[in-house]
Amino acid sequence: AQSVTQLGSHVSVSEGALVLLRCNYSSSVPPYLFWYVQYPNQGLQLLLKYTSAATLVKGINGFEAEFKKSETSFHLTKPSAHMSDAAEYFCAVLKAAGNKLTFGGGTRVLVKP
Amino acid sequence: DTGVSQDPRHKITKRGQNVTFRCDPISEHNRLYWYRQTLGQGPEFLTYFQNEAQLEKSRLLSDRFSAERPKGSFSTLEIQRTEQGDSAMYLCASGDRGAGSYEQYFGPGTRLTVT
Repeated sequence: AQSVTQLGSHVSVSEGALVLLRCNYSSSVPPYLFWYVQYPNQGLQLLLKYTSAATLVKGINGFEAEFKKSETSFHLTKPSAHMSDAAEYFCAVLKAAGNKLTFGGGTRVLVKP
Repeated sequence: DTGVSQDPRHKITKRGQNVTFRCDPISEHNRLYWYRQTLGQGPEFLTYFQNEAQLEKSRLLSDRFSAERPKGSFSTLEIQRTEQGDSAMYLCASGDRGAGSYEQYFGPGTRLTVT
């Protein structure tokens, strides 16, 4: 069975500071990995995805994530936080042969001016 | 491409009533998924369709829940005899495995409140 763990349900960063959101997964097969962002009362928007190509993946809004197989991690980073980055972020895994996304519990990001 | 749409966006109902939600996927997508998200949690898979065939159902989908995608286009999710524990955001997503990307595109969700 697959699972996703996001360390830290809440993260507070200052505007302009580094954003680091942690995601670890367990999967019996090499997975597809995704980061989604959710603004209040909205659906999920895809930030970026890892699909077994380059291990460093760049996404929208200046975010990027690095797939590290040895650490079973897929941490999300952004060098400089903006007020508009305040949202909830979800890491998700998709089994190569399956179809359902398994999500982590989410990390809510607060950006302080 | 207008994205995935869901209707209604909000639904308030009394315990015991039946409710039905609709999802319209991105037009060329052959896969459609339903997820449920409770407050402070990540979405949980409920069921998915490839064209009109329902291929997988979660154990979360009790007998009171039924989903259909009759013509392989829009889908409906019905909850019978609603309970307070059904209060959640119901998210629909669509995807096209034919593109090989496995991406799922989410709609805005339907927020259900059972009083």
